[in-house]
Amino acid sequence: SQQGEEDPQALSIQEGENATMNCSYKTSINNLQWYRQNSGRGLVHLILIRSNEREKHSGRLRVTLDTSKKSSSLLITASRAADTASYFCATDMNSGYSTLTFGKGTMLLVSP
Amino acid sequence: NAGVTQTPKFQVLKTGQSMTLQCAQDMNHEYMSWYRQDPGMGLRLIHYSVGAGITDQGEVPNGYNVSRSTTEDFPLRLLSAAPSQTSVYFCASSPRTNYEQYFGPGTRLTVT
Repeated sequence: SQQGEEDPQALSIQEGENATMNCSYKTSINNLQWYRQNSGRGLVHLILIRSNEREKHSGRLRVTLDTSKKSSSLLITASRAADTASYFCATDMNSGYSTLTFGKGTMLLVSP
Repeated sequence: NAGVTQTPKFQVLKTGQSMTLQCAQDMNHEYMSWYRQDPGMGLRLIHYSVGAGITDQGEVPNGYNVSRSTTEDFPLRLLSAAPSQTSVYFCASSPRTNYEQYFGPGTRLTVT
């Protein structure tokens, strides 16, 4: 069963604009991770935020986590055409092992 | 480091055939996982391993077997292929629990 659900399913913006994607989940977590997948490729880890953190930055990426609402957001600032990809959130459900449950993803299209 | 490698990249099977998808990592990671990705479904966990000699089932294990005789290798065996196993298969590894996962490039499998 899907633990994380991304919203929106698809997002289309112009270069230079900001892109915001949201993720909601159902049960308590140890951490939440965001991954990027370019078409036909494997997933690449972007950022991990732990359950006791509220915000984290990495370059043009900003992730927030609200455990009371069981939600996270990924903000990509000043988007580039190269950011075109699918973005997935994944949660580690305090299972003790490194197994992740992925959402269905947000497909981001950045037009030049 | 080559990271996580998967072979083959593409495979076509007939219903009832068996085959093994290979996965290897050279990062000395203890944790390895197999996922399948279907359109609109995100990634679903098939099997995972927390170390050599230890494996466990994920969300969708039926029709698949795994073994982990070495830290480096984690093959996935399809016992009797079915059209429902048409999918893209990803192998991933992680140094320890609650850490980011490193994904291979994937194997695109078609069962006719």
